[in-house]
Amino acid sequence: DQQVKQNSPSLSVQEGRISILNCDYTNSMFDYFLWYKKYPAEGPTFLISISSIKDKNEDGRFTVFLNKSAKHLSLHIVPSQPGDSAVYFCAASEGGTSYGKLTFGQGTILTVHP
Amino acid sequence: NAGVMQNPRHLVRRRGQEARLRCSPMKGHSHVYWYRQLPEEGLKFMVYLQKENIIDESGMPKERFSAEFPKEGPSILRIQQVVRGDSAAYFCASSPDRAGRPQHFGDGTRLSIL
Repeated sequence: DQQVKQNSPSLSVQEGRISILNCDYTNSMFDYFLWYKKYPAEGPTFLISISSIKDKNEDGRFTVFLNKSAKHLSLHIVPSQPGDSAVYFCAASEGGTSYGKLTFGQGTILTVHP
Repeated sequence: NAGVMQNPRHLVRRRGQEARLRCSPMKGHSHVYWYRQLPEEGLKFMVYLQKENIIDESGMPKERFSAEFPKEGPSILRIQQVVRGDSAAYFCASSPDRAGRPQHFGDGTRLSIL
């Protein structure tokens, strides 16, 4: 029962262009969402989060959009840089905070070409 | 600036032995979480602890696995009588008492079962 799905296993983008990573969820109780970036042999690093009371949150080159009716969120990276190449995970939790259990998607491998 | 510290980074055990994984949370963090990542998969929640208390163990296998977070010292994830299927990367995360703060992850322990 995959409650958080990242349907694109990989994404390839040219440096300077926009990267759009997508995530879908099925559990309507989820109300807090996070994106993490992960390099090989390291732990996930927090990027950005969004509460269900918002539909957009922006932090520098990273913007997360939430469409509650479609149960869909996306991460936009503009402009993309080669150092952004990593695995990106979306995660979700209930209760309006990041306390407690996070449910992760399978991840999307982003490759940014110089 | 000590982050979440996990040790050992790599652990090799033979079938039937015990594995002990340690996690020291970030300074000021009293919430600890354990996740497991199998090859080609996302992270799966195992257990959520606060000092001396297990808050949510819904992701823990019913047998052979246990976790603790004592008043003093690191959190310990213990796997008894390990089997080949226990081979995975085990990640620990921590978060502070303030709501809305993301979980921060350690670099994981890679457990290999011979």
